[in-house]
Amino acid sequence: QVQLAESGGGVVQPGRSLRLSCTASGFTFSNYGMHWVRQAPGKGLEGAAVIAKDGSIEYYADSVKGRFTISRDNSKNTLYLQMNSLKPEDTAVYYCAKDKPYDGSFWGLGTMVTVSS
Amino acid sequence: DIVMTQSPDSLAVSLGERATINCKSSQSVLNSSNNKNYLTWYQQKPGQPPKLLIYWASTRESGVPDRFSGSGSGTDFTLTISSLQAEDVAVYYCQQHYTLLKWTFGQGTKVEIK
Repeated sequence: QVQLAESGGGVVQPGRSLRLSCTASGFTFSNYGMHWVRQAPGKGLEGAAVIAKDGSIEYYADSVKGRFTISRDNSKNTLYLQMNSLKPEDTAVYYCAKDKPYDGSFWGLGTMVTVSS
Repeated sequence: DIVMTQSPDSLAVSLGERATINCKSSQSVLNSSNNKNYLTWYQQKPGQPPKLLIYWASTRESGVPDRFSGSGSGTDFTLTISSLQAEDVAVYYCQQHYTLLKWTFGQGTKVEIK
């Protein structure tokens, strides 16, 4: 059974850091690029960051560029998102999702990040 | 980056009636080498992650009711719910994945019961 499980969310003050993790099971993690998609309360979906299957390519939304870093450990089937210099506008549910939805669409249940003083 | 624009932002439809959602991309998402449109449709209900309904613009995901259909090519796409059911109340998103690894989403369309 395919599963993506995010963790690491919580309440953090502006300017602080947080690291999210996403553990994958049930599919060959190393064969696929992986995405972090976020959704602010009551808003739509935004692709925050993506990493190629071998980690060789990374892309970031302009809103997080220079502050967030995506990475992966294929030996641990785990995806990460290091979030630095957090702002209130980073408050959102963060989902990890597998690339190539036509080849199986897998999303985690999400982890909530709240940036507030 | 490719910009996706949905219309309308919301619509209210009577039970059993048709619901139509449009999605327009700022550039073509048709890959001429395989003749596939890199366009997907998702359904999202409150508190849940998005659920894939349609991929390649018109291919229904396994288990999705056949009242859901997708059409269109190039830059203009449509999601149709032929006979709206109560459980179809949700927000619907189109998404392009034409550019390798880069996803962009429409702003979403909220479907409600009239």
